[in-house]
Amino acid sequence: KAGVTQTPRYLIKTRGQQVTLSCSPISGHRSVSWYQQTPGQGLQFLFEYFSETQRNKGNFPGRFSGRQFSNSRSEMNVSTLELGDSALYLCASSLGQGITGELFFGEGSRLTVL
Amino acid sequence: AQSVAQPEDQVNVAEGNPLTVKCTYSVSGNPYLFWYVQYPNRGLQFLLKYITGDNLVKGSYGFEAEFNKSQTSFHLKKPSALVSDSALYFCAVRDGGNSGGYQKVTFGTGTKLQVIP
Repeated sequence: KAGVTQTPRYLIKTRGQQVTLSCSPISGHRSVSWYQQTPGQGLQFLFEYFSETQRNKGNFPGRFSGRQFSNSRSEMNVSTLELGDSALYLCASSLGQGITGELFFGEGSRLTVL
Repeated sequence: AQSVAQPEDQVNVAEGNPLTVKCTYSVSGNPYLFWYVQYPNRGLQFLLKYITGDNLVKGSYGFEAEFNKSQTSFHLKKPSALVSDSALYFCAVRDGGNSGGYQKVTFGTGTKLQVIP
């Protein structure tokens, strides 16, 4: 069974640009959540989607947005990039509606903003 | 609001010795607790979880964790550390109680485990 796939794995952008990151969950998983990981802040929750609906959102500015498609694949977008957006962005999937299930993480997309 | 604390940024232990990585939590309802491990330049991997039942939970790679409701703790343990256990360990919690709405998973800041040969 294929794991969670995130693309691209590495990318470099400049300030002011925008970026779109993609996440394909494990087959059959309907919930996808996104986290930002930085050395100083640890793992910060961005948002979580279930069946194309955002069911929770973290404390990030509106420049950070996401969506989920009918096949459960998810994308997140960051507009007007800032230096502080440099981070490892992790996507995780889970079976879905229940809250007792563990998360399955992808390898992450490492974003560097210059 | 739910929260998780991992009081140690780094834990050093000699190979073959027992290890403990500490975690305390705060939730208003029932705690659903998890441990994850992260190797360099990789995503997180699930180790074990506590939902209900026996306070001692066994997980992958010989790890176990003890749920202590009175101390609101969920410490990760292993009887004999291996050099390959060296990694970043995260404790996480989800509030399964009556706080209303759907609660996200909150992660601790992580503890770097260094096993010394």
